Amino acid sequence: DQQVKQNSPSLSVQEGRISILNCDYTNSMFDYFLWYKKYPAEGPTFLISISSIKDKNEDGRFTVFLNKSAKHLSLHIVPSQPGDSAVYFCAASNTGNQFYFGTGTSLTVIP
Amino acid sequence: DTGVSQDPRHKITKRGQNVTFRCDPISEHNRLYWYRQTLGQGPEFLTYFQNEAQLEKSRLLSDRFSAERPKGSFSTLEIQRTEQGDSAMYLCASSSPKGRRAGANVLTFGAGSRLTVL
Repeated sequence: DQQVKQNSPSLSVQEGRISILNCDYTNSMFDYFLWYKKYPAEGPTFLISISSIKDKNEDGRFTVFLNKSAKHLSLHIVPSQPGDSAVYFCAASNTGNQFYFGTGTSLTVIP
Repeated sequence: DTGVSQDPRHKITKRGQNVTFRCDPISEHNRLYWYRQTLGQGPEFLTYFQNEAQLEKSRLLSDRFSAERPKGSFSTLEIQRTEQGDSAMYLCASSSPKGRRAGANVLTFGAGSRLTVL
């Protein structure tokens, strides 16, 4: 039972443009969401998080939007840079203890 | 502190053998997690510890798997009688939650231990 879904396995974007990565979840009890970035041969690295009491959180070039009614969140990267090329995972939790991860979206930023 | 360390980084074994992975978390972190990741999938939760207490285990953790954190510092994950389906990346993460508020618990992952069972 995949409670967190990332339906786009890959995404290509031109450098300088906006990258939008999407994530859907099924468990309405989730109240804490995170995005992780993963380079090959490394572990996932925390990027940004959002609580269910908010609908937007911004950190530099990265913004996460949460739509609770649609059970959907998205990560916006603007402007996209070649160094952003990586696999991005969204994750969700309802206890702050166990985290459920999506299957990842591989982002390629074309110079 | 150099972050979360995992050893070995790669392990190739024959079916039926036992393997053990070690994780050294960030020293001030009291929580330690084990996840498994297979090709094309996201990390799947296996278990987590708060200090030396194992608080939660996934149903993915069959009786061939055992995890320990004897002194609340490093942890080991042992797989007995390995099967080809155990081939995966085993990720360790640590954290130090600052209460129940959202944003309080951010996992820091190690680079993982890749297991190949022949």
